[in-house]
Amino acid sequence: GENVEQHPSTLSVQEGDSAVIKCTYSDSASNYFPWYKQELGKGPQLIIDIRSNVGEKKDQRIAVTLNKTAKHFSLHITETQPEDSAVYFCAASITNAGKSTFGDGTTLTVKP
Amino acid sequence: NAGVTQTPKFQVLKTGQSMTLQCAQDMNHEYMSWYRQDPGMGLRLIHYSVGAGITDQGEVPNGYNVSRSTTEDFPLRLLSAAPSQTSVYFCASRKDRIETNEKLFFGSGTQLSVL
Repeated sequence: GENVEQHPSTLSVQEGDSAVIKCTYSDSASNYFPWYKQELGKGPQLIIDIRSNVGEKKDQRIAVTLNKTAKHFSLHITETQPEDSAVYFCAASITNAGKSTFGDGTTLTVKP
Repeated sequence: NAGVTQTPKFQVLKTGQSMTLQCAQDMNHEYMSWYRQDPGMGLRLIHYSVGAGITDQGEVPNGYNVSRSTTEDFPLRLLSAAPSQTSVYFCASRKDRIETNEKLFFGSGTQLSVL
């Protein structure tokens, strides 16, 4: 089955700096890669996703890049703010497979 | 819309006790699932359902039962709780039963402690 590895497990940055979280996947058939943000005491919420026919996607301060050849994808957050502090999860799935596989999560702390 | 509603938010059980974690969604989603979240281990799929009357096992199904009698509800049952089941449990739903290129909607979680 699919295996998703996520790095780093913890990340601390100063407010205004950029943060990058990386994930690798094992199944070359995976074609959908969402990122979820989990704030303390809440369930994960989708913040951005990318499909395998796209190499990069941006939404204001967040962006995701995908390298299908290397089987890795990354989340980029620019101009970080204290409210970006949360746990971030990547995931990978195959169309019509019915299930998604999640990474182990990255705890991001943005210091004011 | 309320989205995905989980109850209870917190629960303490003794080893061997049974209980049911409730999950309901009001979005007419076909797909519903249960995950457990343990420190450093991300989200692991326990069971999932692609529609009423249809359930299947995920990555870590042992010790848990599910049923899907209606589109809205997907309860998770612990028949004989064990300390290894201490975790945070999330219910999640998705509109399409098979198409995974859609986002999951998560509930707010149930913190379960088994003593």
